[in-house]
Amino acid sequence: QVQLQESGPGLVKPSETLSLTCTVSGGSISSYYWSWIRQPPGKGLEWIGYIYYSGSTNYNPSLKSRVTISVDTSKNQFSLKLSSVTAADTAVYYCARGPRYCTNGVCYSGPFDPWGQGTLVTVSS
Amino acid sequence: DIVMTQSPDSLAVSLGERATINCKSSQSVLYSSNNKNYLAWYQQKPGQPPKLLIYWASTRESGVPDRFSGSGSGTDFTLTISSLQAEDVAVYYCQQYYSTPRGYTFGQGTKLEIK
Repeated sequence: QVQLQESGPGLVKPSETLSLTCTVSGGSISSYYWSWIRQPPGKGLEWIGYIYYSGSTNYNPSLKSRVTISVDTSKNQFSLKLSSVTAADTAVYYCARGPRYCTNGVCYSGPFDPWGQGTLVTVSS
Repeated sequence: DIVMTQSPDSLAVSLGERATINCKSSQSVLYSSNNKNYLAWYQQKPGQPPKLLIYWASTRESGVPDRFSGSGSGTDFTLTISSLQAEDVAVYYCQQYYSTPRGYTFGQGTKLEIK
């Protein structure tokens, strides 16, 4: 079955750019939408944005000015960049499949499934 | 944005008893063209990612025990665990996948414990 694994630095300095990569195994990244979701310690879940394998994106308006999500289909990976980070960006960052699924050229919304294990990114000097 | 509000924030239930978690959306997540509610439930255990339990408000994900059930429509939804097991201790989240481009929003979570 499809599995996702996040990778990247666990510590980022304030004002710098957070960069993470999600590697998809057990299936192709093509024909699916892929998302980043984060969870500050002890808090709830926040959707950051998604990318389609074709490269089209949609971001949470609250983060849009700082977020870039890209895809590398040759490596079966997609990536997150979040610029100008502050302590408020400290969180566990998850990658997940969804929230849109396409079959025979027809796309529809759906839940996030599966999820990666998550990676904790701390913003601190 | 569609705001998702869960109640209660925490819940303690005896083993074998029923647990009920509610989720209310600030606007309907029922899509009239297909009569589907764009609502999912997730279970998150400590140190683990969320796990999908229920989608389309009432469809159980493959492999999820049948003691978990989802119900509701429009703006009001319920996750029920019919007979609580020790392994059900977790935080449960509802999530709507109806609304874009403002995003896909989650409830604040409900922490379920054993009484």
